[in-house]
Amino acid sequence: SAVISQKPSRDICQRGTSLTIQCQVDSQVTMMFWYRQQPGQSLTLIATANQGSEATYESGFVIDKFPISRPNLTFSTLTVSNMSPEDSSIYLCSVGLNTGELFFGEGSRLTVL
Amino acid sequence: ELKVEQNPLFLSMQEGKNYTIYCNYSTTSDRLYWYRQDPGKSLESLFVLLSNGAVKQEGRLMASLDTKARLSTLHITAAVHDLSATYFCAVDRYHKLVFGAGTILRVKS
Repeated sequence: SAVISQKPSRDICQRGTSLTIQCQVDSQVTMMFWYRQQPGQSLTLIATANQGSEATYESGFVIDKFPISRPNLTFSTLTVSNMSPEDSSIYLCSVGLNTGELFFGEGSRLTVL
Repeated sequence: ELKVEQNPLFLSMQEGKNYTIYCNYSTTSDRLYWYRQDPGKSLESLFVLLSNGAVKQEGRLMASLDTKARLSTLHITAAVHDLSATYFCAVDRYHKLVFGAGTILRVKS
């Protein structure tokens, strides 16, 4: 398995500000992903974090709003930019192992006022 | 576009009873995941089903996959209160997951 640490675990932010979420994995992994879970909803993939290149975004998500960095095989960040109350969600980092398993971090619960 | 449908969305069960959660998906995939989520928590991996006919069991939960029917089931045997949680199925699409809406399970004593 993989141990995934996310920071912050939760935060309350003001409208118009930006917040960066960090994801640290205890081993090198090829595949890292960022998901969003809006209140009472299921999970939606935001993007695939590619090491050494630009992230690959899913339909409905853009780099200007959700810039992602992946400087190495154990770390990634997701920034939620120019936040509005609609961005209040849980943001989860996920990693894929060669076994086919996909694990999730504890999530970062974001509330935008 | 891959669509994943779970049903039921809400399930209230009596302790000791059996029930099944269904997960249908719209396009071919050979990999399906089941996760559990407790309130305020992240997702806990329950099962990874990697091939047609795969069946996995852990305690009171058993999951199966029929890739031809594009159907997975999560069967709960003799439910206990500790199983109360939200259960998600998720279908692999080039290592990215498309999630079902989730099934909220409440086990009543």
